[in-house]
Amino acid sequence: AQSVTQPDIHITVSEGASLELRCNYSYGATPYLFWYVQSPGQGLQLLLKYFSGDTLVQGIKGFEAEFKRSQSSFNLRKPSVHWSDAAEYFCAVFNTNAGKSTFGDGTTLTVKP
Amino acid sequence: KAGVTQTPRYLIKTRGQQVTLSCSPISGHRSVSWYQQTPGQGLQFLFEYFSETQRNKGNFPGRFSGRQFSNSRSEMNVSTLELGDSALYLCASSQTPTGGSGYTFGSGTRLTVV
Repeated sequence: AQSVTQPDIHITVSEGASLELRCNYSYGATPYLFWYVQSPGQGLQLLLKYFSGDTLVQGIKGFEAEFKRSQSSFNLRKPSVHWSDAAEYFCAVFNTNAGKSTFGDGTTLTVKP
Repeated sequence: KAGVTQTPRYLIKTRGQQVTLSCSPISGHRSVSWYQQTPGQGLQFLFEYFSETQRNKGNFPGRFSGRQFSNSRSEMNVSTLELGDSALYLCASSQTPTGGSGYTFGSGTRLTVV
């Protein structure tokens, strides 16, 4: 069965510092991978997605993620964090065989001024 | 274009009552999925409808049901509400079934059962 692990429940970074949020997945075939962001009281917004091809994908709001098959990882990065990036971030994998999406438990990002 | 619209945004119900939540997907999206989000359980998949047919169902009791209309709008119903049903219920629409191309989420309905 597929699964998604986000090892960090909570991360705090200073404004202007770089950010990396970790995501590890367990899935037999080539996965479809996603990162979403959720602001308090809101739904989730799609940041970026990986289906195939270039392993470094660019998303909205200056985010990027790198797919590493050997490490079963799809980490989200941003070179310089802004206070408005404070939110909860979810990694998700889509199982093309079962037709189901599985979400990680989320990582809450706090940005210090 | 308009996003995913969920109504109502907030609901307070009494234990034992039933509730119906509504979701209008993005125009042209035929897939609507429902998720329950709680602090303890995270995002839990409820079910997905595509072209008025339920394609997938999560591990929820039969008290949770849904349907989709010919215009792709979807409703979710919870009968005999329990305190543990208090949650944020999120609707997500996508062009392809079950979010394979990525979901667009609504802002959710916050249900409180007292």
